[in-house]
Amino acid sequence: EPEVTQTPSHQVTQMGQEVILRCVPISNHLYFYWYRQILGQKVEFLVSFYNNEISEKSEIFDDQFSVERPDGSNFTLKIRSTKLEDSAMYFCATGSWGENQPQHFGDGTRLSIL
Amino acid sequence: AQSVTQPDIHITVSEGASLELRCNYSYGATPYLFWYVQSPGQGLQLLLKYFSGDTLVQGTKGFEAEFKRSQSSFNLRKPSVHWSDAAEYFCAVVSMDSSYKLIFGSGTRLLVRP
Repeated sequence: EPEVTQTPSHQVTQMGQEVILRCVPISNHLYFYWYRQILGQKVEFLVSFYNNEISEKSEIFDDQFSVERPDGSNFTLKIRSTKLEDSAMYFCATGSWGENQPQHFGDGTRLSIL
Repeated sequence: AQSVTQPDIHITVSEGASLELRCNYSYGATPYLFWYVQSPGQGLQLLLKYFSGDTLVQGTKGFEAEFKRSQSSFNLRKPSVHWSDAAEYFCAVVSMDSSYKLIFGSGTRLLVRP
């Protein structure tokens, strides 16, 4: 069964540094998402991406965050200047067309900010 | 705004016992509902989904869920729990805006006694 692949599985970064999290979506999917899960808390929506542009973003997704799909395959989340509170598990999810199609999640990237 | 409530933070059951995890949603029309399972350090795996039709849906790993419109509920059940079912379970509803993002409940952690 096709999978969503995320790299790296774990990223440790100094506060203030830039990080890029990568996701390879399922090939025929059109909707792309980033969610995050702070340790012990629920999964929160960050941003959705469709037709090469952001379709919705949450309050969490401020100017420090950006997403792109530079080469038509990888889907990346960049945090420009990391803060301690960015430490979390970040999940990429992808879905095919329509609201009734389930999203498929990657195994996540654990981001630790020191 | 749509929301999902999982009233039980932890549930402990004995192996072989039956299980019911509660989920209540807030949405005026027919929701699209999912249950996902997360093992420690892992991503989110889809257990089952409800879009329309039969209100009792079957999922993977022997799980089922029943949609009850009158109670705004979508409870997850399993007749006989196995030790490997110990995990965190998340109920989610699709947001019916253009992004189709998922709105998650806070999760229920299932512990299984030998």
